[in-house]
Amino acid sequence: DTAVSQTPKYLVTQMGNDKSIKCEQNLGHDTMYWYKQDSKKFLKIMFSYNNKELIINETVPNRFSPKSPDKAHLNLHINSLELGDSAVYFCASSLGQSRNIQYFGAGTRLSVL
Amino acid sequence: AQTVTQSQPEMSVQEAETVTLSCTYDTSESDYYLFWYKQPPSRQMILVIRQEAYKQQNATENRFSVNFQKAAKSFSLKISDSQLGDAAMYFCAYRSVRGGSEKLVFGKGMKLTVNP
Repeated sequence: DTAVSQTPKYLVTQMGNDKSIKCEQNLGHDTMYWYKQDSKKFLKIMFSYNNKELIINETVPNRFSPKSPDKAHLNLHINSLELGDSAVYFCASSLGQSRNIQYFGAGTRLSVL
Repeated sequence: AQTVTQSQPEMSVQEAETVTLSCTYDTSESDYYLFWYKQPPSRQMILVIRQEAYKQQNATENRFSVNFQKAAKSFSLKISDSQLGDAAMYFCAYRSVRGGSEKLVFGKGMKLTVNP
């Protein structure tokens, strides 16, 4: 019954590897987001998709590539992982855009060694 | 660009007492939303309360209420009758209603400790 689910919850990998984080929502929302929370707990938007179209891209390195196969899914693929990519990544979704609440997944803690 | 400032990195409160968390923001927009999110040790981001800028009435949700001062660009959260389960990081966030700017802009967060 989880509304916004992310997998995996934890991801430990070596520098230089490529990894993906998956996000799915069963709320019928049409807008999805990726946020990054760094080691100091600061949360910042990375991407937003509305109806599978990219609407926000906050100058994230192009090693990060979001993919939205349909409105219910927004996956995040990261190439050539670096130490600085270690963080917690949150997926969120909302119905429509500006006036509606964003619901968050439980986060994926990525550790790059 | 909008910014959100939470100037107190940490606070503590005794169980059953009241605590107020401060937040200020900067924007040139007149219509927007403000939020308080709670992040307990489980890491889950939980919405506590939402305020619409065009509404003068302060939002309340059970023990949680806000003091929204639009002219001063201030949005504080009051937690009454604090409970041990209120211990968490609290984030203030701003959201534009302008198309293409639907992201949440967060403050740096504040760690609340509740003492028994």
